[in-house]
Amino acid sequence: AQSVSQHNHHVILSEAASLELGCNYSYGGTVNLFWYVQYPGQHLQLLLKYFSGDPLVKGIKGFEAEFIKSKFSFNLRKPSVQWSDTAEYFCAVTPNTGFQKLVFGTGTRLLVSP
Amino acid sequence: DGGITQSPKYLFRKEGQNVTLSCEQNLNHDAMYWYRQDPGQGLRLIYYSQIVNDFQKGDIAEGYSVSREKKESFPLTVTSAQKNPTAFYLCASSSRTSGTYEQYFGPGTRLTVT
Repeated sequence: AQSVSQHNHHVILSEAASLELGCNYSYGGTVNLFWYVQYPGQHLQLLLKYFSGDPLVKGIKGFEAEFIKSKFSFNLRKPSVQWSDTAEYFCAVTPNTGFQKLVFGTGTRLLVSP
Repeated sequence: DGGITQSPKYLFRKEGQNVTLSCEQNLNHDAMYWYRQDPGQGLRLIYYSQIVNDFQKGDIAEGYSVSREKKESFPLTVTSAQKNPTAFYLCASSSRTSGTYEQYFGPGTRLTVT
């Protein structure tokens, strides 16, 4: 069965610090990869996604993620975080073979102090 | 505005009672999903439906039931058989024809059973 691991459960950063959140998945075939974000009191929303092509994908609010197939990883990065980035971040994966359910990681709670 | 609505936002029930959570979407999406979110466990899939009048069990279907009589609606019933029903429930939908399976989420319903 597929699984997604997010090793950082809680991350605390100061504003302007760089961010990298880890995400590893277990699936041998071609995959679609997603990062979702849940800001306090708001809907879960898509941050960025990878389906094919350039393994470095850019999302909203200055976030980017790099797909490294050999490492089964899809880490999320941002060069300089802001207080407004305080949220919970979820990595998710689905096989790229027809309709398949999305499998989520356990989430990383990010707190950015001003 | 297109989107997913879930009602109510907060729901309180006594143990032993069944309760139905509403989910409506006007995105013309074929597929709909129900997730449960617990702290530190990410999102776990309860049920999903790819088309009207058809649905499949997810990873944690025991104690839950669903129906899909209309494309726009996918209500979830939390039955008295669910041993730990207190949680945050999220509904989502996606387009099967887009090929991306990107899911759009509703605002969620927080259920408390005492």
